[in-house]
Amino acid sequence: ETGVTQTPRHLVMGMTNKKSLKCEQHLGHNAMYWYKQSAKKPLELMFVYNFKEQTENNSVPSRFSPECPNSSHLFLHLHTLQPEDSALYLCASSQTGGKATNEKLFFGSGTQLSVL
Amino acid sequence: KNQVEQSPQSLIILEGKNCTLQCNYTVSPFSNLRWYKQDTGRGPVSLTIMTFSENTKSNGRYTATLDADTKQSSLHITASQLSDSASYICVVSAWGISGNTPLVFGKGTRLSVIA
Repeated sequence: ETGVTQTPRHLVMGMTNKKSLKCEQHLGHNAMYWYKQSAKKPLELMFVYNFKEQTENNSVPSRFSPECPNSSHLFLHLHTLQPEDSALYLCASSQTGGKATNEKLFFGSGTQLSVL
Repeated sequence: KNQVEQSPQSLIILEGKNCTLQCNYTVSPFSNLRWYKQDTGRGPVSLTIMTFSENTKSNGRYTATLDADTKQSSLHITASQLSDSASYICVVSAWGISGNTPLVFGKGTRLSVIA
């Protein structure tokens, strides 16, 4: 295990539903990330939090709303999603948010989201 | 534009054989290059990280090379095993304005090892 836990592993939702993805890291890291992985496309960075503060929002639509109550927990609240939002959503953490050159990124197993 | 290109897109090899995956990048200014392994249904796991001054790094049967002049990297897998079946993702880090290092991801190479 990587020390980063994501729930649920799979999620199917309609376009009018509201759901939340949860991520928890047990590594004592200070930075947490949300990535989107679509088929045959590179990972896309969505949000970055450093010490609970959002430091990056990569032009993500407002139907995705992140929340970071503390350095160990990260949520992604979803509402009125579109079918093209179906993808694997990966959470990751790192020690300092990229300030160290060789800093490793630790990923969770992801939530496979299907929007009908 | 910062980009990472990987080849081949997919590869099938027999168990016990060696293989080499390629990564070309245009990321600048270069900070470091990483190779990740992603099993189906799992998140990526780091295999190696190399900075500008390193031209080879090994992790068990995985050996990564880096040529910063030609902006190319390769991942060599020796004596492949069925468990090596996965996607291998090349990721290049650039120096950011604020000191952060935005990661640029390749699309990955899908490796299948068959008995």
